[in-house]
Amino acid sequence: GAVVSQHPSRVICKSGTSVKIECRSLDFQATTMFWYRQFPKKSLMLMATSNEGSKATYEQGVEKDKFLINHASLTLSTLTVTSAHPEDSSFYICSAGGTYGYTFGSGTRLTVV
Amino acid sequence: ELKVEQNPLFLSMQEGKNYTIYCNYSTTSDRLYWYRQDPGKSLESLFVLLSNGAVKQEGRLMASLDTKARLSTLHITAAVHDLSATYFCAVDPRVGNSNYQLIWGAGTKLIIKP
Repeated sequence: GAVVSQHPSRVICKSGTSVKIECRSLDFQATTMFWYRQFPKKSLMLMATSNEGSKATYEQGVEKDKFLINHASLTLSTLTVTSAHPEDSSFYICSAGGTYGYTFGSGTRLTVV
Repeated sequence: ELKVEQNPLFLSMQEGKNYTIYCNYSTTSDRLYWYRQDPGKSLESLFVLLSNGAVKQEGRLMASLDTKARLSTLHITAAVHDLSATYFCAVDPRVGNSNYQLIWGAGTKLIIKP
């Protein structure tokens, strides 16, 4: 079946630095990639939707300059958390959307210290 | 506003018992998904329900969809400890072939005690 590989699975960074999270679709072409953030014991919160070759569409309240999304190819989408702060610490999950369903990456636990 | 309501949000039950998680949604849709999430992990797809009356079963879990009532259920039969997890339902309100994001329920944390 369809697999989305997400890396890194866990990252700790210092305040003020930037972190890049990658999601690769391994055996299919992901035209659309969704990026989610999940707070402890909460549901998934959609941050943005990216389509290959075009600018991402951000949800209300999500800072596009802070959470940079690049979807330059059909197999790779990246989320860069710029100038990270402790409040950006969270679990980030990507998901590739298709006609018959959605495939999720394994998630990235970001801790900003 | 599109809403997906799951209940209960928390469920503690004994092994061997049966129970049902409910997922109500406010929009017209014939695509509903159930996912399982273990602590610290991403989501695992359980069921995809694509039409009214759809029923799918996998082991001790059975999911159904009633699009007229805008209701899906996830039934657990003779629960075992390994089924302890958080379960999410999500509705795909897409129309035609246009992509759209999933609308998520709040999740049901299920704890099954020996």
